Amino acid sequence: DQQVKQNSPSLSVQEGRISILNCDYTNSMFDYFLWYKKYPAEGPTFLISISSIKDKNEDGRFTVFLNKSAKHLSLHIVPSQPGDSAVYFCAASLQGAQKLVFGQGTRLTINP
Amino acid sequence: DTGVSQDPRHKITKRGQNVTFRCDPISEHNRLYWYRQTLGQGPEFLTYFQNEAQLEKSRLLSDRFSAERPKGSFSTLEIQRTEQGDSAMYLCASSPAGANVLTFGAGSRLTVL
Repeated sequence: DQQVKQNSPSLSVQEGRISILNCDYTNSMFDYFLWYKKYPAEGPTFLISISSIKDKNEDGRFTVFLNKSAKHLSLHIVPSQPGDSAVYFCAASLQGAQKLVFGQGTRLTINP
Repeated sequence: DTGVSQDPRHKITKRGQNVTFRCDPISEHNRLYWYRQTLGQGPEFLTYFQNEAQLEKSRLLSDRFSAERPKGSFSTLEIQRTEQGDSAMYLCASSPAGANVLTFGAGSRLTVL
């Protein structure tokens, strides 16, 4: 039962343009959402997060949008840079639970 | 602080052998997590500790798997009688109590021949 889904296994974007990564979830009790970035041979590193009481959170080039009615969140990266090429995972947690549930990941490639 | 350390980084073993992975969390973090990641999938929760107490185990953690955190510091994950299906990246993460953000180690990759 995949509660967090990233339906695009890969995404290719031109350098300088906007990258939009999408994530859908099924459990309406999730109350906190995170994005992690993973380079080869490294563990996932935290990128940005959003609480369910907000609909947008911005940190530099990265913005996460949350649409609770659609059970959908997205990560916008603008402008995209070659160093952004990595696998991106969205994750969610339940109030009171101590674990994160991850999506399958989207491999982002930024082309020069 | 050097972050979350995992050892070994890569283990190749034959089916039926036992393997053990070690994780050293960030020193001030009292929560420690084990996740497993297979090719093309996201990390899947296995178990977590708060200090030395193991508070939750996933049904993915069969009876061949055992995790310990005896003194509330480092943790070990042992897999007995390994099977080819156990081949995966085993990720350790830690966090302070009450935090939503986990800090991951680089992982231990297991290959079972």
